[in-house]
Amino acid sequence: AQSVTQLGSHVSVSEGALVLLRCNYSSSVPPYLFWYVQYPNQGLQLLLKYTTGATLVKGINGFEAEFKKSETSFHLTKPSAHMSDAAEYFCAVSDRGGGTSYGKLTFGQGTILTVHP
Amino acid sequence: GAVVSQHPSWVICKSGTSVKIECRSLDFQATTMFWYRQFPKQSLMLMATSNEGSKATYEQGVEKDKFLINHASLTLSTLTVTSAHPEDSSFYICSARKMGLLSYQETQYFGPGTRLLVL
Repeated sequence: AQSVTQLGSHVSVSEGALVLLRCNYSSSVPPYLFWYVQYPNQGLQLLLKYTTGATLVKGINGFEAEFKKSETSFHLTKPSAHMSDAAEYFCAVSDRGGGTSYGKLTFGQGTILTVHP
Repeated sequence: GAVVSQHPSWVICKSGTSVKIECRSLDFQATTMFWYRQFPKQSLMLMATSNEGSKATYEQGVEKDKFLINHASLTLSTLTVTSAHPEDSSFYICSARKMGLLSYQETQYFGPGTRLLVL
C-alpha cells in the first residue's frame, strides 16, 4: 500500500521568499512521484514528476523537487514566490508498474500556499 | 500538454434524480480514465478506474450501482450518479492517462472538475 504525507496543511510566505512544501511517501515498491497544483474550483495541473534518472526534477513556473530515497521525501521548492503561486498543492505517488494498482495516484492531504505582498 | 474537458462544470439537481458527467480527452486517446471525488478542503479520493471497452474497476467502499461508469470510446468516459442524494454533493474530477512509448512516460491529465449540488 502507498501513502503520502504532506507536512503542513497551510504554508504562508512573503512574495520573493523561498517556497518549501514538504512531502513524504511510503511505498513498498519504487514509486513514481508527482506534484500537482489546484487553483480554486479548477482541476489539477501537473507541476513536475519523478520517474527515473536525475533525482532533481525541474517543473513549470520555476518549481523543482528532489527525490531523496533515503529520506522517502519529495519536497517541492521555488526560490522566489510570486503572488500567482497562491494555490493548493498536492503531492502524489503511483505504482511504478504492473498489478492492479498500476497508474493509480494516491494523493497527500494538500498544502494551501498563501503568498503575502 | 494535453487537454481534458468535463461537462457540465457545475450542476444542481433534486434528490432522487440522476446526473451524468462527461469526461473527454480532446487531443489524445485514453484507454484509461480515472474518476475522483473531492470534498471541501480535502484531498482527492479515487473512486474508480474506467477502462475503454470493459467494466470499470471500483475502489473499496464505492457503490458501483450508484456511480455508473461507461467508457464507450477512447476519448469519452461518463460518470452517472444515480438517485442522487445530498450526501453525493461534491466536486468530481476525472483524469485521462496519456501513454508514452515507455511506462514512465505516461502522464495523467486532469479535467477542470464538476461541482454537483443535490438539493
